Amino acid sequence: DAGITQSPRHKVTETGTPVTLRCHQTENHRYMYWYRQDPGHGLRLIHYSYGVKDTDKGEVSDGYSVSRSKTEDFLLTLESATSSQTSVYFCAIRDREITEAFFGQGTRLTVV
Amino acid sequence: GENVEQHPSTLSVQEGDSAVIKCTYSDSASNYFPWYKQELGKRPQLIIDIRSNVGEKKDQRIAVTLNKTAKHFSLHITETQPEDSAVYFCAATIQGTYKYIFGTGTRLKVLA
Repeated sequence: DAGITQSPRHKVTETGTPVTLRCHQTENHRYMYWYRQDPGHGLRLIHYSYGVKDTDKGEVSDGYSVSRSKTEDFLLTLESATSSQTSVYFCAIRDREITEAFFGQGTRLTVV
Repeated sequence: GENVEQHPSTLSVQEGDSAVIKCTYSDSASNYFPWYKQELGKRPQLIIDIRSNVGEKKDQRIAVTLNKTAKHFSLHITETQPEDSAVYFCAATIQGTYKYIFGTGTRLKVLA
């Protein structure tokens, strides 16, 4: 497996609370991505990063923010969690523009 | 914006038959088209990919074809086996944007 770790793996949180998910890589890959996976919607891109402090929005970025202060870490923050953000979140990393992405194990987030 | 459509959403085939999954993309600047397999409870993993300068690629029982004019690409699995049962995702990347956009997925069931 590519050196990519997500934490936590599972989390239950209450509506209105902030939540931060972490993606850590040991591959020194330039590109990092956050997706959410929901039945019937596939993998939807939330935010992505193309370098330290270089990030951009994906298809479903509302309610989410990200930060990448160093190459190995990409953080996804839900400022005020809502039930609609209950999902499985995947981080992915990629070395170059036309190459495959490697996924983390996923984080199952439940907002109650 | 960029969009990748995938059909069908579910597909059932008898063991030994062939399966075909189709995707269309909206941005003519897309230049890389990977396919991922996701088994239940696991992370997506690459099974085959194709670049925009190639029309077809094969790897044992799996093949991918690309029609740039029509902006669609397909995954072909021959001699299907029960272990091929999974969710399959197509994806496309757009040159110069670093985005990695996925289709909505196809749940393939191979019936013994």
